[in-house]
Amino acid sequence: KNEVEQSPQNLTAQEGEFITINCSYSVGISALHWLQQHPGGGIVSLFMLSSGKKKHGRLIATINIQEKHSSLHITASHPRDSAVYICAVGYNTDKLIFGTGTRLQVFP
Amino acid sequence: ETGVTQSPTHLIKTRGQQVTLRCSSQSGHNTVSWYQQALGQGPQFIFQYYREEENGRGNFPPRFSGLQFPNYSSELNVNALELDDSALYLCASSRGGQETQYFGPGTRLLVL
Repeated sequence: KNEVEQSPQNLTAQEGEFITINCSYSVGISALHWLQQHPGGGIVSLFMLSSGKKKHGRLIATINIQEKHSSLHITASHPRDSAVYICAVGYNTDKLIFGTGTRLQVFP
Repeated sequence: ETGVTQSPTHLIKTRGQQVTLRCSSQSGHNTVSWYQQALGQGPQFIFQYYREEENGRGNFPPRFSGLQFPNYSSELNVNALELDDSALYLCASSRGGQETQYFGPGTRLLVL
């Protein structure tokens, strides 16, 4: 069983829809990261959080430490949001354990 | 502020050969982590370097080795290449501790 589980694996949406991607992990962590990977491979760090909620533009990330669960929300989705979204957890080192990603496609 | 860069962008090798991949960390960062991402999978941690010393290693055999230089750039070396080594290799730099990691664009390696 992977230490980091993401759902759904694949997601399609119409432009303007509200998107939620979920991440669950199995043991206590020091931080959780949400990353975006476009075709071609480049990874961009979206959020790093250890508690509560963070917002950046149309993106919102929340984490519930007790439930070992995090969500990434995209409001008013747009075709340019199409990418793979990856959840990764960090422990007391810089080592990250990654989920397998959620492939999002937003259609006009 | 210069971002993380990696070279080469693409590489084709044959089984048994050796390869060296390079990563230049972002200005002010002293920690570099290397990851292997097979097609359709999430990245897997290979190892991390902090101030020129290995600072943690994932479940990869000894033929995967690395270096970090005084300017904090880093190399990943893979000896005796196998077909399963075909993947995207990502490096990420950070200021250490629990800081955000910044990823390079990756090197796509194909082993034939």
